[in-house]
Amino acid sequence: QSVLTQPPSASGTPGQRVTISCSGLTSNFGSETGTWYQQLPGTAPKLLVKANNQRPSGVPDRFSGSKSGTSASLAINGLQPEDEADYYCAAWDDSLSGWVFGGGTKLTVL
Amino acid sequence: EVQLVESGGHLVQPGGSLRLSCAATGFIFKNHGMTWVRQAPGKGLQWVSSISDSGGSKYYAGAVRGRFTVARDNSKDTLYLQMNSLRAEDAAIYYCARNWGSSGANSHPDYWGQGILVSVSS
Repeated sequence: QSVLTQPPSASGTPGQRVTISCSGLTSNFGSETGTWYQQLPGTAPKLLVKANNQRPSGVPDRFSGSKSGTSASLAINGLQPEDEADYYCAAWDDSLSGWVFGGGTKLTVL
Repeated sequence: EVQLVESGGHLVQPGGSLRLSCAATGFIFKNHGMTWVRQAPGKGLQWVSSISDSGGSKYYAGAVRGRFTVARDNSKDTLYLQMNSLRAEDAAIYYCARNWGSSGANSHPDYWGQGILVSVSS
């Protein structure tokens, strides 16, 4: 069981907005920032959002992150077929002195 | 271009040992913390270990503490993971990742290698 809780699946049609939630604890999101990764089938994870809401260069602005209290969210606007992937939230946990990940959300573009 | 290339993975018997390597190019290796993350077949990501830029600070997941050792050779731009007393549940793809900053702690991994498969079976 993961320390961070994500829904196992999400779906949407092209052009829609989809939101993926990530629930944590005070030991992680309470004092640390949230990070999101995208993992396309058969590939390594790719950094999507850092420090709660910052996009690395090259990541489309359709992707946005936010954090409130001990929860974080990833929003994808204008959903595209190539967005079909697994999405993971992550944060440093001060109590565990280690990184914790969500269980992952499989996004299906219908 | 940042590149991380893992090597050393193969089939090992339970109780056996293995050393993974991660060769880094395209950035100043000694300025960045590094992290190992694994993914069992069909499962999610699981953090394994992190190390600071100098190697002076090391962090381990509870599941591997006492069995795995992370190390780095800044003269060779290479990260290592020594895995002892391997168990069936250690079977996974192991990814090496660069931390954004120098810390081995709360500096997020930003670039990831392609991963290397470790199989544990008799």
